[in-house]
Amino acid sequence: EIVMTQSPATLSVSPGERATLSCRASQSVSSNLAWYQQKPGQAPRLLIYGASTRVTGIPARFSGSGSGTDFTLTISSLQSEDFAVYYCQQYKDWPLTFGGGTKVEI
Amino acid sequence: EVQLVESGGGLVKPGGSLRLSCAASGFTFSDYSMNWVRQAPGKGLEWVSSISTRSSYIYYADSVKGRFTISRDNAKNSLFLQMTGLRAEDTAVYYCARAVPAAGIDYWGQGTLVTVSS
Repeated sequence: EIVMTQSPATLSVSPGERATLSCRASQSVSSNLAWYQQKPGQAPRLLIYGASTRVTGIPARFSGSGSGTDFTLTISSLQSEDFAVYYCQQYKDWPLTFGGGTKVEI
Repeated sequence: EVQLVESGGGLVKPGGSLRLSCAASGFTFSDYSMNWVRQAPGKGLEWVSSISTRSSYIYYADSVKGRFTISRDNAKNSLFLQMTGLRAEDTAVYYCARAVPAAGIDYWGQGTLVTVSS
């Protein structure tokens, strides 16, 4: 099983600041990595797939990078609606696995 | 508009059974692989099971293998999860989710809560 590890668990930032979230895979997943955003009481929302491709409608302040085992989600200038939990997920191999999440808080 | 609506959750005793359903609309259901993903209260996301378009390929997480069965009815645009031998650790919100090849999971339902408790 490919283990996904996210860091930090919690990230405290101020509105307008840059946020950098990390995700590491226990073995290479190539670019088969997605990022999701989840707000309290809501289902997750797909933000990024293929490690760096933004879903249609996702603001350009969200960007993904990396390949192999190390990935980054960057939010260039945090808006109030961006405070949420973010998960990475690999879909290279079964079982599909998620990271433990990073909570972005004010 | 893509919609996924889960139903069938509820309170069940340990060892009991439950069948979850997911009604899909707004897209050609038979063209997409589908998943169940769960989230225990206050915890992260855990993939449970996947089924391919014609049910030819089915996968399960080790934690549910042998106890849960995923199925689909393309004629009725529906996805199912039959859960038996339920345990307290199966308590979670269960999401029905659509998979896109090489792009992860692009649509999620709102989830249905399963509580396993005596």
